Amino acid sequence: AQSVAQPEDQVNVAEGNPLTVKCTYSVSGNPYLFWYVQYPNRGLQFLLKYITGDNLVKGSYGFEAEFNKSQTSFHLKKPSALVSDSALYFCAVRDRGSNDYKLSFGAGTTVTVRA
Amino acid sequence: EAQVTQNPRYLITVTGKKLTVTCSQNMNHEYMSWYRQDPGLGLRQIYYSMNVEVTDKGDVPEGYKVSRKEKRNFPLILESPSPNQTSLYFCASRLKGWVSGRVTYNEQFFGPGTRLTVL
Repeated sequence: AQSVAQPEDQVNVAEGNPLTVKCTYSVSGNPYLFWYVQYPNRGLQFLLKYITGDNLVKGSYGFEAEFNKSQTSFHLKKPSALVSDSALYFCAVRDRGSNDYKLSFGAGTTVTVRA
Repeated sequence: EAQVTQNPRYLITVTGKKLTVTCSQNMNHEYMSWYRQDPGLGLRQIYYSMNVEVTDKGDVPEGYKVSRKEKRNFPLILESPSPNQTSLYFCASRLKGWVSGRVTYNEQFFGPGTRLTVL
C-alpha cells in the first residue's frame, strides 16, 4: 500500500521569506514523488517530480524539493516566497514496484503568503 | 494548445438522475484518470485507463462507471447519483514514459474541474 501525509493544513509566511511545505510518504518499495499546485478555481498544475537520480529536484516557478529516503520525506521549498505563490499544494506518490497505476495524493496544504 | 477539457464545469442534479461528465485530451496520451476532490481528503482516484478499452478501479470506484472507446475521450458516468457524490471532479491524462529502456511515471495534466452537486 502507498500513502502520503501532509502534516500541515496551512502554512503562512511573509513575502520574501523561505517557504517550506512538508510531505512524508509510505511505500513498500521505491517511490515516484510529485508536487502539484492548485490555484483558486483552477485544475492542478505540475510543479516537479522525483523519479531517480539526484535527490534535489528543481521545478517550476523557483520551487525545489529534496528526496530523503531515510526520513521518507519530499519537502517542497522556495527560498523567497511571493504573494502569487498563495495556493493549495498537493504531494503525490506512487510505489515504483506496484502492479497498478494508482497515484495517491495527500490532503493538501494551503499556503498563504502575506505582503 | 495542449489541454484536457471537461464538460460541464458546473452541474446541479437530483438523486437518481443519470449523468455523464465528459473528458477529452488532445495530447495523444495513453493514460487517463478521474479523481474527486473533497475538503480534508485531497484527491482520490476513482478510475483510470491505460489505453483504449483498458480501465481499472482506483481507490473510490463505487457508484461510478467509465469507458474508453477512443484514446482522447474518457467519460465518467454516474448511473444513479447520490448526495455523497457531491464533489469536485478532475480528469487527468499523462504520457506513457520511458527512461533508460524502462517504463517511468510521467506527470499528469489536469482538466479545469467539474463541480457536481447532487440534491
